Amino acid sequence: GEDVEQSLFLSVREGDSSVINCTYTDSSSTYLYWYKQEPGAGLQLLTYIFSNMDMKQDQRLTVLLNKKDKHLSLRIADTQTGDSAIYFCAEKSGGYNKLIFGAGTRLAVHP
Amino acid sequence: GAVVSQHPSRVICKSGTSVKIECRSLDFQATTMFWYRQFPKQSLMLMATSNEGSKATYEQGVEKDKFLINHASLTLSTLTVTSAHPEDSSFYICSAAGDSTYEQYFGPGTRLTVT
Repeated sequence: GEDVEQSLFLSVREGDSSVINCTYTDSSSTYLYWYKQEPGAGLQLLTYIFSNMDMKQDQRLTVLLNKKDKHLSLRIADTQTGDSAIYFCAEKSGGYNKLIFGAGTRLAVHP
Repeated sequence: GAVVSQHPSRVICKSGTSVKIECRSLDFQATTMFWYRQFPKQSLMLMATSNEGSKATYEQGVEKDKFLINHASLTLSTLTVTSAHPEDSSFYICSAAGDSTYEQYFGPGTRLTVT
């Protein structure tokens, strides 16, 4: 079945780069997403990548996709304290835009 | 991105009562809306998918008679938790997608506490 896995926790120093990793199992995934969730709030779409792309860059965010290994990563350059949040990886599956989420990676940014 | 609202943002109810949560897409027509449940420090669990004008499709293990979903218009879906119990306490999040979009926009969530 479909499964998305992420590491649960990442701690980085302010100003450093953060890399959050994700693996998925559904080879027919068409889109892969990164969402950000701050405490007590809903999910904010950060970026997405189509399955025929290898890389997508959007300001401080870089998404890398290795379709052969079914591995997705999100790199945040110059990480700031405001980036502290939970980051969810998700894959689009099925005909109704159904998303399968990973467990989320809690990013802690310290001075 | 598009804006999705939820109401109420927080609700406390007594065990045995029913609670209705609204999800609205404010600036686009949502042909499909999704309802998720999130337990503390856990991921989102998809409960059901609803398309405007038709019955919702529930995920395995989700009781359709307990979690009533109505998607009567292209901008509004409602989730009613019937005969709520303390174990129904959770963070409920809706999302909305348009007809030809690959993007799914999430509401801010509703914190339900059943006492």
